[in-house]
Amino acid sequence: DIQMTQSPSSLSASVGDRVTITCRASRGINNFLNWYQQRPPKAPKLLIYAASTLLRGVPSRFSGSGSGTDFTLTINGLQPEDFATYYCQNSHTAPYTFGQGTKLEI
Amino acid sequence: QVQLVESGGGVVQPGRSLRLSCAASGFIFSTYTMHWVRQAPGKGLEWVAFIRHDGSEKGFVDSLKGRATISRDNSNYTLHLQLNTLRIEDTAIYYCAKAEIYTGWFLDRWGQGTLVSVSS
Repeated sequence: DIQMTQSPSSLSASVGDRVTITCRASRGINNFLNWYQQRPPKAPKLLIYAASTLLRGVPSRFSGSGSGTDFTLTINGLQPEDFATYYCQNSHTAPYTFGQGTKLEI
Repeated sequence: QVQLVESGGGVVQPGRSLRLSCAASGFIFSTYTMHWVRQAPGKGLEWVAFIRHDGSEKGFVDSLKGRATISRDNSNYTLHLQLNTLRIEDTAIYYCAKAEIYTGWFLDRWGQGTLVSVSS
């Protein structure tokens, strides 16, 4: 199985900051990497697919990059609604594992 | 608009079974691959299972292989997840999600989840 490892597990930041979350796959997954945001108690929401493609309607302050095994999610100019937990997901090979999550806190 | 509504969760004893359902609307259900994802209390997301649009291919997380079946009724826009021989560690919110395909795929719509609590 492909293991997805996110870092950091938690992150403290302030409104207006720029933050970067990394996701590493245990073997290459090309760009088959999705990023989701979850604000409890809600269901996750897709932000980015194919490692770097923003879902329509997602603010442009979100961006993704990477290919192979190393990926990043960057948020430029944090807004209050961005404080949430973020997950990466391998969509290359079943089981379609998620990272353990990164909790972004004020 | 796209809606996914899960049902069938509840409190169940270890070793028992439960059948979860997901009622879909707002899209042509028979043309989309569907997935189940779960989240244990206070924990992260865990991918559980998928089924192709026509039921031709299915897959499960290792911990549920042999204990779960996934099925769909395209005429009634419904997805099912049958969980057997339930364990304490199966306690979670179970989400159904619709997959959108490009060259890859992503989960673009999620239900609100149904809670399964396995307890003696």
